[in-house]
Amino acid sequence: KNEVEQSPQNLTAQEGEFITINCSYSVGISALHWLQQHPGGGIVSLFMLSSGKKKHGRLIATINIQEKHSSLHITASHPRDSAVYICAPTQGGSEKLVFGKGTKLTVNP
Amino acid sequence: DTAVSQTPKYLVTQMGNDKSIKCEQNLGHDTMYWYKQDSKKFLKIMFSYNNKELIINETVPNRFSPKSPDKAHLNLHINSLELGDSAVYFCASSQEVDTYEQYFGPGTRLTVT
Repeated sequence: KNEVEQSPQNLTAQEGEFITINCSYSVGISALHWLQQHPGGGIVSLFMLSSGKKKHGRLIATINIQEKHSSLHITASHPRDSAVYICAPTQGGSEKLVFGKGTKLTVNP
Repeated sequence: DTAVSQTPKYLVTQMGNDKSIKCEQNLGHDTMYWYKQDSKKFLKIMFSYNNKELIINETVPNRFSPKSPDKAHLNLHINSLELGDSAVYFCASSQEVDTYEQYFGPGTRLTVT
């Protein structure tokens, strides 16, 4: 079993839809990162959180440490949101990022 | 100004060669990382340096050797390249280890023929 599980693996949505990507992890963590990898390959850090909820524009990330679960929400999705979204907890103790396999999001106009 | 830069962007070389990838950050961060993204797009950490000292060294073949001449630079040297080394290598930096946001470089696509 992978240490980090993301669902769904692939997601296709229509422009304007509300998107949710889920991440469950089995390791003890000190924080959790959500990353976005563009079709061109570049990686951008969206959020780093260790509790509760963070919001940035149309993006919202939540984490429940007790349940070892995090979600990334995108409101009013747009074709430019099409990318791979990667969940990456920071493993407590070793302080290294452990990566999920990513969720490929395609938003159609 | 690019925050984290890598050179080269593309690198094509033959098996057995030795090559280097350079990484520089101008963010004043203390910690730098090397990650490998394989053909299945799975990311994995290779190394992490904090203040020029190695703090994370995953089970990477010793053909891979990171070198940090100063806090702003972390280079990756690869000896005796193998076909399986073909991947995209990302450099990243953060203010410190642990709970700090990481900033990624654009990646270096290495192809070993």
